[in-house]
Amino acid sequence: SQQGEEDPQALSIQEGENATMNCSYKTSINNLQWYRQNSGRGLVHLILIRSNEREKHSGRLRVTLDTSKKSSSLLITASRAADTASYFCATDGLSNTGKLIFGQGTTLQVKP
Amino acid sequence: DADVTQTPRNRITKTGKRIMLECSQTKGHDRMYWYRQDPGLGLRLIYYSFDVKDINKGEISDGYSVSRQAQAKFSLSLESAIPNQTALYFCATSDLNPRGGTLYTQYFGPGTRLTVL
Repeated sequence: SQQGEEDPQALSIQEGENATMNCSYKTSINNLQWYRQNSGRGLVHLILIRSNEREKHSGRLRVTLDTSKKSSSLLITASRAADTASYFCATDGLSNTGKLIFGQGTTLQVKP
Repeated sequence: DADVTQTPRNRITKTGKRIMLECSQTKGHDRMYWYRQDPGLGLRLIYYSFDVKDINKGEISDGYSVSRQAQAKFSLSLESAIPNQTALYFCATSDLNPRGGTLYTQYFGPGTRLTVL
């Protein structure tokens, strides 16, 4: 079964607005990652947050992690049409193998 | 040039045919992975390899086999393709975080769109 569940499944906003996506997972983790996928293309790593971190920033991205609730959120501020993509969270499930378990993804549409 | 390449990018085949999808990487990573992606689902792991001699099944390995010909090459085979193997297939690589620890960012190829009729 999937480790990560993402919410919402789809999100449509206007350019300039903020977009928030949530991810819940089932087992303890070493770290959680967020990836982006443009339509039909490979995933691209965006940001990684360790289990002992609560918040991390990278440019217009802000990720939070609440290990007590087994949840994470990805906030994209001042969204642009180019941010239109699917976003996936991925966890390692405390594995040291490098294996990741991906959520089902949130499809974000940013309207110009 | 792309760090992780996949061939072919698109393939249409018939039920019962043997198909091989190839993945090559220039990142020098030891770890390689094969995933499939279906609409509405995330990525599901088919097989993964830590090095040439270490190959492991993922969550959906039935109907698939792999070969790690070299550190840089990892091939996925469908011995007898069936329609429900129609999907987008991705190869990925990873390595240990250079600062140590268990931080495994994965780097993905562009994908192969496979259609089995």
